Amino acid sequence: GDSVTQMEGPVTLSEEAFLTINCTYTATGYPSLFWYVQYPGEGLQLLLKATKADDKGSNKGFEATYRKETTSFHLEKGSVQVSDSAVYFCAQSAGSNSGYALNFGKGTSLLVTP
Amino acid sequence: SAVISQKPSRDICQRGTSLTIQCQVDSQVTMMFWYRQQPGQSLTLIATANQGSEATYESGFVIDKFPISRPNLTFSTLTVSNMSPEDSSIYLCSVGLSNYGYTFGSGTRLTVV
Repeated sequence: GDSVTQMEGPVTLSEEAFLTINCTYTATGYPSLFWYVQYPGEGLQLLLKATKADDKGSNKGFEATYRKETTSFHLEKGSVQVSDSAVYFCAQSAGSNSGYALNFGKGTSLLVTP
Repeated sequence: SAVISQKPSRDICQRGTSLTIQCQVDSQVTMMFWYRQQPGQSLTLIATANQGSEATYESGFVIDKFPISRPNLTFSTLTVSNMSPEDSSIYLCSVGLSNYGYTFGSGTRLTVV
């Protein structure tokens, strides 16, 4: 079945380091792809999304490109800040409308140190 | 995007009792989704709730344990019945309003003692 696999954490980086969190998916169709962020003690927030191949989602300095050929949606940021410390979830939606639930990866915990 | 009001935000319950979680959306939506997030884990879909019909449950979740109501297009409840410590989790509701957009409630942190 459809699934999302993301790199194991925790990831610890120094402030201003480059961040990559890998995410790959399996799907029978053409899913939409998402990154969600969960800050300590808070709910889930949509970070960025991409709905078709070669789309690039971006927000708050984070980027991810929908790569159909490698079935990937890796999250990147050029220079992380302490405030980026959170858990990041990659997710896919099976269908092309909002009637389909999201399927989440296991989450990657990021700790950024000063 | 939609705004979801979810309550309670947290509760501590005795085993064997039940808790009902409410989600109110500020827009009319066809589908609402209920998830469980166990400590340190990812989100697992419990069920999909469509207004006017019975909820559709995922493997491992049953209606007797997690009854869901969906009386109208802006409201849903999830009940966690006959609770045990294994039910201690964060429960979240979610809606998809437009193509590819999903919003989540702030979650209900449940502790069963």
